[in-house]
Parts: sequence; C-alpha cells; structure tokens
Amino acid sequence: AQSVTQPDIHITVSEGASLELRCNYSYGATPYLFWYVQSPGQGLQLLLKYFSGDTLVQGIKGFEAEFKRSQSSFNLRKPSVHWSDAAEYFCAVGVPSGSARQLTFGSGTQLTVLP
Amino acid sequence: GAGVSQTPSNKVTEKGKYVELRCDPISGHTALYWYRQSLGQGPEFLIYFQGTGAADDSGLPNDRFFAVRPEGSVSTLKIQRTERGDSAVYLCASSLVLAGYNEQFFGPGTRLTVL
Repeated sequence: AQSVTQPDIHITVSEGASLELRCNYSYGATPYLFWYVQSPGQGLQLLLKYFSGDTLVQGIKGFEAEFKRSQSSFNLRKPSVHWSDAAEYFCAVGVPSGSARQLTFGSGTQLTVLP
Repeated sequence: GAGVSQTPSNKVTEKGKYVELRCDPISGHTALYWYRQSLGQGPEFLIYFQGTGAADDSGLPNDRFFAVRPEGSVSTLKIQRTERGDSAVYLCASSLVLAGYNEQFFGPGTRLTVL
C-alpha cells in the first residue's frame, strides 16, 4: 500500500521569503502526486499535480513542485511567500492503475507567514 | 458553477446516536468520494462511488458506517451508534470519470462532534 510522509508539522516563514515543503512517498512504482491547500473553513484546493513527463510542475498561486524519483520526493516550493499563503498544505498520492481512485494524504504541514 | 456542497456544516450529537451527513456533488460528476479528517491528520479515504454503486468501500472503519447514493448524484453517509472517536471532519469530493486521472473537487466538509 502507498503512504505519504510530510516530515514538517509546522513551518514559519517571513513574508517575501522562499518556501519549501517536503513530501516523501512510498509506492512500488511512480504514483500520481498532488499538493493540496486547505484554509480554515475551506475545502481542499488542488495546487498542482504530477503524472509523468517533466519533473518540474507549475501550479496555481505561484507554486511549483519537483518530482525526484531517486529520493521518492515531491517537494513544494514558492520563491516568495505572501501572507495569504498561510494555510495547511497536504501532499497526496494516487494509484495510477485498476479501479482504485482514492487519494492517500500525508498528515499535512501548517504554514505560518510572519509580516 | 456550483461546487461540492455538504450539509450540515456542523453536527453535534451524543454518543450512541445515529447521524446522516449529506453531500451534493458537482453536476455531471459520476464519481463521488468520502474522506474523514481527524484533528491534526490528513484526510483518510472511506468510500468511492461510481454512479449509484460503491466501487470501493475498503476505507469504512466498521459496520457502523454506511453510505448510499441511490440516484447517482446526492450521497448520504450514515453513522450508527456514534462513538466519541467518530468526531472528525467528513469531506466529500466528486470528479468526472474519464481515461486516466480525474481531479477530485472537495466540499467544505461536515464537522461532526460526538459528546
């Protein structure tokens, strides 16, 4: 079965600073990979996804993520954080075969942005 | 257009009671998913519907949990004899079903508190 690890429970950055949120997955092949953001009282919003091809993917709100097969990682980055980016971020994997359609999520990273 | 909606937004009940949580998916989405998000955790898969039938219910924790989708649109998650450990946010998502991966769109969730 697949699993996802987000080693950082909470990260604090200053507005304008760069950001990197870590995600490691465990799966026998290359899964589908996703990053979601969840703001208080809001549903999960998809930031970006990786299926295949170019290992650097661009998403909404200026986010990008890089898939590294050798490290089983899919880290999320943003060059300059805005105060509105404060939220909880979830990495997730999907199994690209069979009838299984569910996503497996990590436990999340809470991002605080200092003014 | 309208997104996924869930009602009620909050539900407080007493241990041992029965509850129903409702999900209205995006119009035209044939796939519907239920997830449960406990405090400080990422969402965990419960059940996936393809049309009216449950294609995968492997995430339901026990037989107190049951979900239906009689007309292939609205779904109801039913929990019998609620326990304090059932307290969580219950998330619903819907998607199209096309070849390959289909993005899941999440609702805002129902926060269930069992006293």
